[in-house]
Amino acid sequence: NAGVMQNPRHLVRRRGQEARLRCSPMKGHSHVYWYRQLPEEGLKFMVYLQKENIIDESGMPKERFSAEFPKEGPSILRIQQVVRGDSAAYFCASSPPNRGGIYNEQFFGPGTRLTVL
Amino acid sequence: DAKTTQPPSMDCAEGRAANLPCNHSTISGNEYVYWYRQIHSQGPQYIIHGLKNNETNEMASLIITEDRKSSTLILPHATLRDTAVYYCIVRVTTGANSKLTFGKGITLSVRP
Repeated sequence: NAGVMQNPRHLVRRRGQEARLRCSPMKGHSHVYWYRQLPEEGLKFMVYLQKENIIDESGMPKERFSAEFPKEGPSILRIQQVVRGDSAAYFCASSPPNRGGIYNEQFFGPGTRLTVL
Repeated sequence: DAKTTQPPSMDCAEGRAANLPCNHSTISGNEYVYWYRQIHSQGPQYIIHGLKNNETNEMASLIITEDRKSSTLILPHATLRDTAVYYCIVRVTTGANSKLTFGKGITLSVRP
C-alpha cells in the first residue's frame, strides 16, 4: 500500500505565476488535509477536504489560495499569482473514513517545496 | 484545543531512553494527547496517542499523569534516526476527523 504521494517534490515559480500542488491520498482514504510550513516555522493547518467537499478552510488565506478534492483524481492546492512569501513546504495528509469514534491518524506525504523567485 | 508546552530542545545518548515531557494543564476531559514527529525535511509521522491510560506501541510509550495535566513520551532505546522535532498535540476526538494544531515542538538530538 503506497503512502501519501505528492508531486512535484520541488516547484519553482516566478512572482505572478500559478502553482499547482497535487496530493494522492493513501488507498481507501477519503479525507485530505493540507498544511504549510514556512522556513524556520512550525506546521500550520490550511484546509481539510473530503471527496468533493471542503470541510474546514479556516487556515486558508482569503485570497489567491484554493483547494479541491474531486471525485476522481488527486487533491489539488492551487496558488494564484504567487508571491515570495508563499515560498514554503506544503504537506498533504490523508486519513480513512470515520470509524465510529475511533481516531484516525493522519498519514503525511513527503511535501512539495515551493520556491518563488 | 488545549495548549501544550514543551521545552525547546533536549539531547540523549544513543541507546539510552529519551523522555520527552509535555505540559497540558488546561486539558479537558474529552481531549486526547497525541505525539507526532518530523524528521528533517520530511512529513510528520504519527507516533502514539492516549486519553488517560498509559499506552505503548512498537515505537514508543506514552505516560500520562493521573491528573492528565502532563505527559511523557518515552523512546526506550534512542537511535540516531530518532533525531527529530517531536510535537505534543492535545485535541478532541469525537469520531470526526479534524485538523492538527502543531506548536513549536521539542527538538531531540541523539548523540553517538
